[in-house]
Amino acid sequence: AQTVTQSQPEMSVQEAETVTLSCTYDTSESDYYLFWYKQPPSRQMILVIRQEAYKQQNATENRFSVNFQKAAKSFSLKISDSQLGDAAMYFCAYGGSARQLTFGSGTQLTVLP
Amino acid sequence: DTGVSQNPRHKITKRGQNVTFRCDPISEHNRLYWYRQTLGQGPEFLTYFQNEAQLEKSRLLSDRFSAERPKGSFSTLEIQRTEQGDSAMYLCASRSLGLAGVTDTQYFGPGTRLTVL
Repeated sequence: AQTVTQSQPEMSVQEAETVTLSCTYDTSESDYYLFWYKQPPSRQMILVIRQEAYKQQNATENRFSVNFQKAAKSFSLKISDSQLGDAAMYFCAYGGSARQLTFGSGTQLTVLP
Repeated sequence: DTGVSQNPRHKITKRGQNVTFRCDPISEHNRLYWYRQTLGQGPEFLTYFQNEAQLEKSRLLSDRFSAERPKGSFSTLEIQRTEQGDSAMYLCASRSLGLAGVTDTQYFGPGTRLTVL
């Protein structure tokens, strides 16, 4: 069974600075997707970025980028120029042949003005 | 594309009562998933449908839980004889099956927060 580990329960960043959220996973599959979802307080889960395992190039979406290290089974999220609206719980998720997503326990990000 | 919708958004019930939640997926998404999320944790998979067929159920889905997706459109999740441990956020997600058959992005609804007194 796949597992996803987020070892940082809480992180904080100063507005306009850069922060990196960590995620590691365990799998024996070679073909899979990895996702970062954002869940603001009392609001729904929103996709931030996704990475296909077969792609070597790291995914980027505006201020959000990932560092995907397939051999190390590491998938970190970098948020540049942090904004107050980035404050949320961030979940790393694995999607493979099992169809459903396996989520980590989340990292609560606080953005300080 | 109006997104995934869920009703009700909040449900408070007394222990032992039955509750039913509804999920309307993004139109033409043939896969629909149910997850449960407890406070401070990531969502945990409960079950999923491809069209009207329920293809997989987690061991978390006890006999008191039943899900349906008639006609392959909306889905309902029913919990019978609710217990205090059922208190959680119940999330629905949908996605289309990619042509290559590989996992694609799941889009989540706002969830139904259940409180069992």
